[in-house]
Parts: sequence; structure tokens; C-alpha cells
Amino acid sequence: AQSVAQPEDQVNVAEGNPLTVKCTYSVSGNPYLFWYVQYPNRGLQFLLKYITGDNLVKGSYGFEAEFNKSQTSFHLKKPSALVSDSALYFCAVRDIGSGYSTLTFGKGTMLLVSP
Amino acid sequence: GAGVSQSPSNKVTEKGKDVELRCDPISGHTALYWYRQSLGQGLEFLIYFQGNSAPDKSGLPSDRFSAERTGGSVSTLTIQRTQQEDSAVYLCASSFLGAAPNQPQHFGDGTRLSIL
Repeated sequence: AQSVAQPEDQVNVAEGNPLTVKCTYSVSGNPYLFWYVQYPNRGLQFLLKYITGDNLVKGSYGFEAEFNKSQTSFHLKKPSALVSDSALYFCAVRDIGSGYSTLTFGKGTMLLVSP
Repeated sequence: GAGVSQSPSNKVTEKGKDVELRCDPISGHTALYWYRQSLGQGLEFLIYFQGNSAPDKSGLPSDRFSAERTGGSVSTLTIQRTQQEDSAVYLCASSFLGAAPNQPQHFGDGTRLSIL
């Protein structure tokens, strides 16, 4: 069965500093990986995805993520954090072997960016 | 609008009552998903519809939960005899080209359900 782990419940960073939100996954085959962001009282918004190809994926709002197959990780990064980046971030995986039907989500990491 | 629409946005009801939650997916999206998000928890998969195929109901927590999708578009999630542990945000998502693995899911803003 596929699974996703987000080891940090919360990440705190000062505005202007780089940020990293960690994600590791477990699948039986090749993974399709996604990052979503959730603002208060809103649904999840798609940020970026890794399907194949370059290990560094660029997405919305200046976010990027690095796929590392040997470490089974897909950490979300941004070179310079903004206060407006404060939100709940979810990593998700879809396993080719699962028949593509659903995404498995991590429990989420709350990112707090201080001014 | 162009996004996934869910109604109502908030629902407060008494324990034991039945509730219906509605989801209007993005036009043309053939796959539709329901998730439950409880406080401090991640997203719990409930049910998945793909075109005219039989739905994947493997995530429904009990037989009090059911869902249907009429005409391949609008979906209704029904919870019968609600319990306090059903209190959560219920999220609907849709995606294009069925369950093609590279297609992201697009989420509505959810229905916040509170059982008194």
C-alpha cells in the first residue's frame, strides 16, 4: 500500500528566508507526487507535481520540489518565504500499481512565516 | 463558476438526523472524489466515481455513508443517523481524463459539518 509521511506538524521560518517542507513516500512502483496548499476555510490548491523527468519541479507561487528516488523524498522548497505563504501544506502520492484511482495524502504541515 | 462548487458551505445538525452534501464538479471532469478532513488529521478518502463505472466505495467508514453521482456530473454524499464523530470538513474534488495519473485533483472549498 502507498503511504506518505510529513514528519513535521509545523515549520516556522522568517520572511525572506528559504523554507523546506519535508515529505517522504512509500509505494510499490514508480510514484506520481503532488503538493497542495490549503488556506483557512478553503479547499486544497494544486501547487506542483512530479511525474517523470527532471528531479527538480517548479510550480506555482515560486515553489519548487526536489524528487529524490534513493531517499524516497519529495521536499517542497522556496528560496525566499513570504508571510502570505503561511498555510497548511499537503504532500500526496499516486502509485502506478494502485490503478491510479486515488491520491494518498500526508497529514499536512502547517507553515508559519513570521514578518 | 469554473471551479468545483460545494453546498452548503456550513451545516449544523442534531445527532441522529440525516444530511446531504452536494458537489458540482468542473465541467468535463469525469472523475469525482469525496474526502473527509477532521481537525488535526489529513485527508481521508471516502469514495471515487469514474465515468459510468461502479464507484470505489472502499473508504466509506460505515453503512451510514452513501454517495451517488447523477448523469456523470453532480454528486451527493448522504450521511444517515449522524453521530458526533461525523463532524468534519467534507471535501469534493474532480479531475480531467478520468484517473489519468498525471492529472491533479481540483478541490472545492468543502462543507463544514457540525453535529450537536
